[in-house]
Amino acid sequence: EPEVTQTPSHQVTQMGQEVILRCVPISNHLYFYWYRQILGQKVEFLVSFYNNEISEKSEIFDDQFSVERPDGSNFTLKIRSTKLEDSAMYFCASSDPGASSYEQYFGPGTRLTVT
Amino acid sequence: GDSVTQMEGPVTLSEEAFLTINCTYTATGYPSLFWYVQYPGEGLQLLLKATKADDKGSNKGFEATYRKETTSFHLEKGSVQVSDSAVYFCALSLDQTGANNLFFGTGTRLTVIP
Repeated sequence: EPEVTQTPSHQVTQMGQEVILRCVPISNHLYFYWYRQILGQKVEFLVSFYNNEISEKSEIFDDQFSVERPDGSNFTLKIRSTKLEDSAMYFCASSDPGASSYEQYFGPGTRLTVT
Repeated sequence: GDSVTQMEGPVTLSEEAFLTINCTYTATGYPSLFWYVQYPGEGLQLLLKATKADDKGSNKGFEATYRKETTSFHLEKGSVQVSDSAVYFCALSLDQTGANNLFFGTGTRLTVIP
């Protein structure tokens, strides 16, 4: 069964460093998403991406964040200058808006630890 | 704003016990409601959904009914198994196509002991 994959599973970085989290969505899906979950808190929407541009973003997704689909398979989230409060689990998801199930398919997540 | 509130965990049950995980929502318009499950080491998976009032979503013995009058979507299972141990997330979407972002609750960790 097709699945969304994410790498790395765990990333440790120092405050102020740039990180890139990578995702490979399901191949025929057209919508891509990033969510994050700070430990003990809700899973929060960050951004959605469609047709090579951001379709929606939350207040969390400020100028230090960016997303890119550099090729036909990868979808990346870049954090330019990490802060301690960026420590969280980051989930990538993809969906096929033509499907009737309304389902977003999630990857296993990348745990980001900022020290 | 639009949000989901779900029962705090963790929840520990014996095998074959009855499960209820409460979920209530606040939303403008008519949201679609979902339960996602996350097994250890895996991504969130859609467990069930309901797209309009009084709809009942069901899957793998789990059920949830979209109650507009109480703005609730409680998850239930009559007899849990050890393999049901996971984190359960209630979520809503304001977009009927599913292309819109999901609003999640905090998740409830369920542990089922033999």
